[in-house]
Amino acid sequence: KAGVTQTPRYLIKTRGQQVTLSCSPISGHRSVSWYQQTPGQGLQFLFEYFSETQRNKGNFPGRFSGRQFSNSRSEMNVSTLELGDSALYLCASKRQGTGNTEAFFGQGTRLTVV
Amino acid sequence: AQKVTQAQTEISVVEKEDVTLDCVYETRDTTYYLFWYKQPPSGELVFLIRRNSFDEQNEISGRYSWNFQKSTSSFNFTITASQVVDSAVYFCALSEASGGGADGLTFGKGTHLIIQP
Repeated sequence: KAGVTQTPRYLIKTRGQQVTLSCSPISGHRSVSWYQQTPGQGLQFLFEYFSETQRNKGNFPGRFSGRQFSNSRSEMNVSTLELGDSALYLCASKRQGTGNTEAFFGQGTRLTVV
Repeated sequence: AQKVTQAQTEISVVEKEDVTLDCVYETRDTTYYLFWYKQPPSGELVFLIRRNSFDEQNEISGRYSWNFQKSTSSFNFTITASQVVDSAVYFCALSEASGGGADGLTFGKGTHLIIQP
């Protein structure tokens, strides 16, 4: 069974540009969450999608957005990139949307903003 | 608000030693879920265990064991007879039932475990 797939694995962007990251969850999983990982702040929750609906969003500016498609695949978009957006972005999928369900993570997309 | 504290930033031990990674959590919920994840250099977080707040049984899986104590709000992880392949960053995480699973996981800062041959 294929795991969570994130593309691309690496990205280099310039300040002010926008970027779209993609996540394909494990087959049958309906919940997709996104996290930002930086050395200073650690792992922080960005948002969670279930059945194409964003159910919650972490404490991030409106430049961070996302969506989920009917096949549960998800994308996240960051507009007007800032240097501080450089991070590892991790996607996680869960079979159910409940809190007691373990999340399985992809290998992440490492975004570098120059 | 919930919080997870992993006070040990880095631990270095020699192979075959036992090592315990500490995790202390804060939550106002009476029902919550605790997790441990391993992050090797490749980047993905590998799920290790989930523990429900109403289940205080300790768990052993091979060389890994977990000690959950509600009285001290701790969920510690012990690796027995450590191996070089255990080297990684380990994260403890919390999810509150009141969030319905939509709030994501609250992670600790992680413990970088180095096993020296």
